[in-house]
Amino acid sequence: AQTVTQSQPEMSVQEAETVTLSCTYDTSESDYYLFWYKQPPSRQMILVIRQEAYKQQNATENRFSVNFQKAAKSFSLKISDSQLGDAAMYFCAYNRDDKIIFGKGTRLHILP
Amino acid sequence: DSGVTQTPKHLITATGQRVTLRCSPRSGDLSVYWYQQSLDQGLQFLIQYYNGEERAKGNILERFSAQQFPDLHSELNLSSLELGDSALYFCASSGGGPGETQYFGPGTRLLVL
Repeated sequence: AQTVTQSQPEMSVQEAETVTLSCTYDTSESDYYLFWYKQPPSRQMILVIRQEAYKQQNATENRFSVNFQKAAKSFSLKISDSQLGDAAMYFCAYNRDDKIIFGKGTRLHILP
Repeated sequence: DSGVTQTPKHLITATGQRVTLRCSPRSGDLSVYWYQQSLDQGLQFLIQYYNGEERAKGNILERFSAQQFPDLHSELNLSSLELGDSALYFCASSGGGPGETQYFGPGTRLLVL
């Protein structure tokens, strides 16, 4: 069965600095999709970034980028120029055949 | 605003009762997904419907059931409620294609007393 592991339950970063959140997953499939979702205190789930496993190029979305290492089954999220509004719970997710499996999340604190 | 609506926002009920949660997907989306977020279990996929038909099933209890109606809105029915069913229930929608982004509603917070 597929699993998603986020090994950092909590992280802190200074405002304007860069932080990387880790995610590893386990699958025997070669074709799948990976996501990072953000859940701020409002509890709304917001898509941050999406990666297709068959694409070697790492996805980027403004200040957010990923380091996708398919062989290592690693999918880390880098947040550049961290802002106070980035404070949230971040979930890594694996999607194949419409079933999404979420990691336990990493709570990110932004220090002013 | 994701375009996905869920009602009610909050629900307080007693053990043994039955409740219905409602979800309207984004305009044009054919797929609806239900998730449960609890403190101890994290975010768990429950069930998916595509254009009225059940398409995928996750960790959904037998006491729970769902359906998607011709107008594509969906309802999640929770019966014989237990204290452990207290959670945030999310609905998400997508076009239904492989790996399409799922857009989440604001959730329904259920408290079982």
